[in-house]
Amino acid sequence: GENVEQHPSTLSVQEGDSAVIKCTYSDSASNYFPWYKQELGKGPQLIIDIRSNVGEKKDQRIAVTLNKTAKHFSLHITETQPEDSAVYFCAASKMRANRDDKIIFGKGTRLHILP
Amino acid sequence: DAEITQSPRHKITETGRQVTLACHQTWNHNNMFWYRQDLGHGLRLIHYSYGVQDTNKGEVSDGYSVSRSNTEDLPLTLESAASSQTSVYFCASSVSPGGSPLHFGNGTRLTVT
Repeated sequence: GENVEQHPSTLSVQEGDSAVIKCTYSDSASNYFPWYKQELGKGPQLIIDIRSNVGEKKDQRIAVTLNKTAKHFSLHITETQPEDSAVYFCAASKMRANRDDKIIFGKGTRLHILP
Repeated sequence: DAEITQSPRHKITETGRQVTLACHQTWNHNNMFWYRQDLGHGLRLIHYSYGVQDTNKGEVSDGYSVSRSNTEDLPLTLESAASSQTSVYFCASSVSPGGSPLHFGNGTRLTVT
């Protein structure tokens, strides 16, 4: 089955600098890769996702890149702000999932933005 | 606006008691999921449902059960609560089983004493 590894588990960056979180997956059939942000006391919320037919996607200060050959994808946050402090999760799944296919999450990265 | 709500937000119970956590969504999604979140383990799938009367086991289903009698609700029951089930529980729903975003509730923090 699918396995998703996420690194680092904790990341501290100065406000205004960039943050990068990396994930690798094992199942080459996975083709949908969402990223979720979880703020304290709340459930995870989707911030960006990418499908395997594209290599990069951007939304303002957030971007995700996908390397299908190497089976890894990364979240990039530029010009970090205090409100970016949260736990971030990557995930992998198949768009045409059957009953046995699951959405598999990485273990999360706690991002601290330092003033 | 559509939403997914969980209740209660916090629950303390004793070992051996039966506990039910509620999840209600107004997205009209067929697909609903229960996860538990623990430090060092991320989000682990407990049970999921792809429609009314459909339920399936996830990776950590022992000691838990779900039922799906309508589209909106997927209650999670702990048959006989154990201290190992102290955790934060999240319910989620999605428009498709795998290729669409999950919409999460804000969680239930369960403590088993």
